[in-house]
Amino acid sequence: EDQVTQSPEALRLQEGESSSLNCSYTVSGLRGLFWYRQDPGKGPEFLFTLYSAGEEKEKERLKATLTKKESFLHITAPKPEDSATYLCAVQAAETSGSRLTFGEGTQLTVNP
Amino acid sequence: DTAVSQTPKYLVTQMGNDKSIKCEQNLGHDTMYWYKQDSKKFLKIMFSYNNKELIINETVPNRFSPKSPDKAHLNLHINSLELGDSAVYFCASSPLAAYTEAFFGQGTRLTVV
Repeated sequence: EDQVTQSPEALRLQEGESSSLNCSYTVSGLRGLFWYRQDPGKGPEFLFTLYSAGEEKEKERLKATLTKKESFLHITAPKPEDSATYLCAVQAAETSGSRLTFGEGTQLTVNP
Repeated sequence: DTAVSQTPKYLVTQMGNDKSIKCEQNLGHDTMYWYKQDSKKFLKIMFSYNNKELIINETVPNRFSPKSPDKAHLNLHINSLELGDSAVYFCASSPLAAYTEAFFGQGTRLTVV
């Protein structure tokens, strides 16, 4: 069974204090690893897709990296508007459709 | 234009009632999903339809029945609601091809009292 574990569960940062979120996964053949951002009362919003170990993607202050066992979401000089829950999900090669298996998320709070 | 829209956004109902949640996507995607997010924010897939055909049916009580009248719509009907059904239900869609992300609606917060 596919599994995704995210850590930490919650993270508080001061504005400008860089850090990383972790996503460890177990999947029978990775088709893709996805990062989403979820704001309170809203649906998840797509950030990145990573397909193979060594791949990196960047968007503004966010950078996602992938190894064979885990992915990191690096946040550089975060701002209060980066506060949200960040979700990691995997898509296994053998699943039909585009089913995503999600982790429980990391709730990020950035204080001004 | 909203890409994936769900109605209603909030739903409060009594135990034993039957209710429906509607979902529509205007992205031209072939695949649609229902996910459930519990109080711990854990998102879990319930159903997936591809061109009106059911392709994923997780271990969900048969009180939950999805219906897809066409590939742009996927509704969720729930019979005999129970307290444990309280959660946020998200509709999502993605293109037919794999290796693609899903686009989510804003969610329907269901509260059973």
